[in-house]
Amino acid sequence: ETGVTQTPRHLVMGMTNKKSLKCEQHLGHNAMYWYKQSAKKPLELMFVYNFKEQTENNSVPSRFSPECPNSSHLFLHLHTLQPEDSALYLCASSRDSSNTEAFFGQGTRLTVV
Amino acid sequence: GENVEQHPSTLSVQEGDSAVIKCTYSDSASNYFPWYKQELGKRPQLIIDIRSNVGEKKDQRIAVTLNKTAKHFSLHITETQPEDSAVYFCAAPEEDDKIIFGKGTRLHILP
Repeated sequence: ETGVTQTPRHLVMGMTNKKSLKCEQHLGHNAMYWYKQSAKKPLELMFVYNFKEQTENNSVPSRFSPECPNSSHLFLHLHTLQPEDSALYLCASSRDSSNTEAFFGQGTRLTVV
Repeated sequence: GENVEQHPSTLSVQEGDSAVIKCTYSDSASNYFPWYKQELGKRPQLIIDIRSNVGEKKDQRIAVTLNKTAKHFSLHITETQPEDSAVYFCAAPEEDDKIIFGKGTRLHILP
């Protein structure tokens, strides 16, 4: 609908698993973002990529590892997560900077057991 | 860095009445102020935005006002309807590439 697609929509993983979240946009945008949405912090910025370069790592634990192979794709690699990492992970993209509309994906609902 | 404060966290209004949500920001260089609406189980979507060269913008029943001197901006919804029930987020930019969101306001429209 918005041009930003996230997969999977739901993910349940154990604390020793390794999984990846995928985000894809075909809007021609140059900036992509990962946000974590939980009851405590409704929209918490995790990572920013601008023209494929990571420009922000908002004090995110190393068990979250982003990857941006090209301007249309963004991944979030997950490794040895904790139960408190359970949340909705939202990807967003914008044309070129924070001064334009952000288009969000539908999110991945992650549950760590 | 940018600090965005949003109030109230929860707001209940009677259908047909107006709702106002306020945000303050800290970075005086910020020049773009969007508002997003997130319905239950759905993604946040932009509903209105304002740039710092204007003080007010309207789109049908919604409006946003900006006071750059006081560093605050507000969302106004008039003649509220049941479909206005949602969580609303304000946002402001930090430096060149970060969008910092407020903590959200859960708006309930009462029948």
